Amino acid sequence: AQSVAQPEDQVNVAEGNPLTVKCTYSVSGNPYLFWYVQYPNRGLQFLLKYITGDNLVKGSYGFEAEFNKSQTSFHLKKPSALVSDSALYFCAVRDPPLTSGTYKYIFGTGTRLKVLA
Amino acid sequence: NAGVTQTPKFRVLKTGQSMTLLCAQDMNHEYMYWYRQDPGMGLRLIHYSVGEGTTAKGEVPDGYNVSRLKKQNFLLGLESAAPSQTSVYFCASSYSRTSMNTEAFFGQGTRLTVV
Repeated sequence: AQSVAQPEDQVNVAEGNPLTVKCTYSVSGNPYLFWYVQYPNRGLQFLLKYITGDNLVKGSYGFEAEFNKSQTSFHLKKPSALVSDSALYFCAVRDPPLTSGTYKYIFGTGTRLKVLA
Repeated sequence: NAGVTQTPKFRVLKTGQSMTLLCAQDMNHEYMYWYRQDPGMGLRLIHYSVGEGTTAKGEVPDGYNVSRLKKQNFLLGLESAAPSQTSVYFCASSYSRTSMNTEAFFGQGTRLTVV
């Protein structure tokens, strides 16, 4: 079965330092991978995605993610963290097509990022 | 462009009561989804729909029903609410598999408390 793991419940980083939020996946076929951010009392906002092509993908708010097929990872990164980056981050994988052609998004449990001033 | 709109935003129910959550999207998306979010468990798929008139069960469908009578609307029903259904519910939508626009768009959520 397809799955996504976010091994860290919380990541703390000082403002101005680089940040990494980890994600590993298990999926058959070619994965479609996503990162979403959730601010308090808000819905999920799309940050970036990997479909194919370059392993380093860039997204909103200066975030980027590196796809590593051999390690089945898709870690979220940012060179210099801001206090305003503090939020809950979700990694997701889109289900490969079933016989009915459906596409379900499978989410990790989320990682809370705290950027300290 | 409103995107994905959920109503209501908050609701308190008594055990055994019923209610319907409404999700509306104005992006002409084929696929729609209902998730619930619980602490430490991420988002779990309740039901989804790949088109008007079609629905399917997700990971945690028990106690819920859905309908998609119109392409833009996806309703989630609780026939007899239980405290275990206290959660934050999110609706999402996306284009079909033939589109290169692959990400899902989310509503703002409905916070439901069952007492």
